[in-house]
Amino acid sequence: DGGITQSPKYLFRKEGQNVTLSCEQNLNHDAMYWYRQDPGQGLRLIYYSQIVNDFQKGDIAEGYSVSREKKESFPLTVTSAQKNPTAFYLCASSIWVTEGEAFFGQGTRLTVV
Amino acid sequence: AQSVTQLDSQVPVFEEAPVELRCNYSSSVSVYLFWYVQYPNQGLQLLLKYLSGSTLVKGINGFEAEFNKSQTSFHLRKPSVHISDTAEYFCAVMAGWSQGNLIFGKGTKLSVKP
Repeated sequence: DGGITQSPKYLFRKEGQNVTLSCEQNLNHDAMYWYRQDPGQGLRLIYYSQIVNDFQKGDIAEGYSVSREKKESFPLTVTSAQKNPTAFYLCASSIWVTEGEAFFGQGTRLTVV
Repeated sequence: AQSVTQLDSQVPVFEEAPVELRCNYSSSVSVYLFWYVQYPNQGLQLLLKYLSGSTLVKGINGFEAEFNKSQTSFHLRKPSVHISDTAEYFCAVMAGWSQGNLIFGKGTKLSVKP
């Protein structure tokens, strides 16, 4: 079945450590996104990528980094510079230009202690 | 820049009653509108979308929404809700097809009681 896979579902890290969240899709979508979700805040865009080896900052990119070396993969690194990293992280993808709607993974809940 | 306002953060309703979840947007250009549903600890699933054409859009699970350009609204409705509709619902707007400009509202938690 086609879809988006995020791993792990739950992740615990100590403060000051970098952590990488995985996102893989087999939908052959060009565009991929990372959103952060906090209670009562909706979804806020961290980074997005329209094509391999290209990505753009979203509204809250500070303290995060991404790479897009393969069409299928868009990992997100939460660095120690992110002041409040505990949140629910959602990865999404969409067909570039023609459809627009985003398909979401199941999310990763990151807790930093 | 566009923005989305979901007017109710929580909506409690009894089973088999009708429900309306309200969404207003602002944008200086033409927009595309979406409603997503999120069940606890899961990702978002598309309910319906308005791209062009008929302003009444039907989606999955018996939901529908009406695009009202003059009132800049895109309210979600269901004539009779089920317990299984309990979830959080997000309205989203995209200005044109510029990727990365999919802006979400803060969500409305629908709670269906027996």
